[in-house]
Amino acid sequence: NAGVTQTPKFQVLKTGQSMTLQCAQDMNHNSMYWYRQDPGMGLRLIYYSASEGTTDKGEVPNGYNVSRLNKREFSLRLESAAPSQTSVYFCASSVAGHAYEQYFGPGTRLTVT
Amino acid sequence: GDSVTQMEGPVTLSEEAFLTINCTYTATGYPSLFWYVQYPGEGLQLLLKATKADDKGSNKGFEATYRKETTSFHLEKGSVQVSDSAVYFCALSDRSGGSNYKLTFGKGTLLTVNP
Repeated sequence: NAGVTQTPKFQVLKTGQSMTLQCAQDMNHNSMYWYRQDPGMGLRLIYYSASEGTTDKGEVPNGYNVSRLNKREFSLRLESAAPSQTSVYFCASSVAGHAYEQYFGPGTRLTVT
Repeated sequence: GDSVTQMEGPVTLSEEAFLTINCTYTATGYPSLFWYVQYPGEGLQLLLKATKADDKGSNKGFEATYRKETTSFHLEKGSVQVSDSAVYFCALSDRSGGSNYKLTFGKGTLLTVNP
């Protein structure tokens, strides 16, 4: 089991460029999540998908879009990158249910210049 | 809305010292509570969890007890090791409607253990 995988690991973009962060899980989880981690801010939820076919906004969705491609894959797209989107991005997945923990990928470190 | 407040770091201890990281929460209903650990350059890993009041979660010598009366879930370890150096996050999971179970995180506490 690979768990949760994310690509790429590192990325540098110029302001205005677009890119898609990929995430896949092999644990047959229903729910998937995208977070960003910034110093002193903890993790903040960008978007989540409670089940295949559904997506919802989290705490900080502006400037991002998501696609739940199938049960395994959940991608995050930046249409026009801004320096404020410089961050570390984590994907996570879980069994649906409030008692169940989330499993995290290794993260993507994104720098926007 | 839901929130988690944990003690600000950084926390620096000597090996074999006692560790406490305080965590309190605000939530509607009856949340599940978690401690996650993030080692340098890695993603978050679940350390322990508790799903109802008075439950004690434990793992790798760490413990935390779900205290509903004080809305707290403090992390403790009797004797820390250098390998425990990491960032620790307290989190809660509560229903937000339907089947959407989101985690709300504290800001994290950096622990450094010196030999």
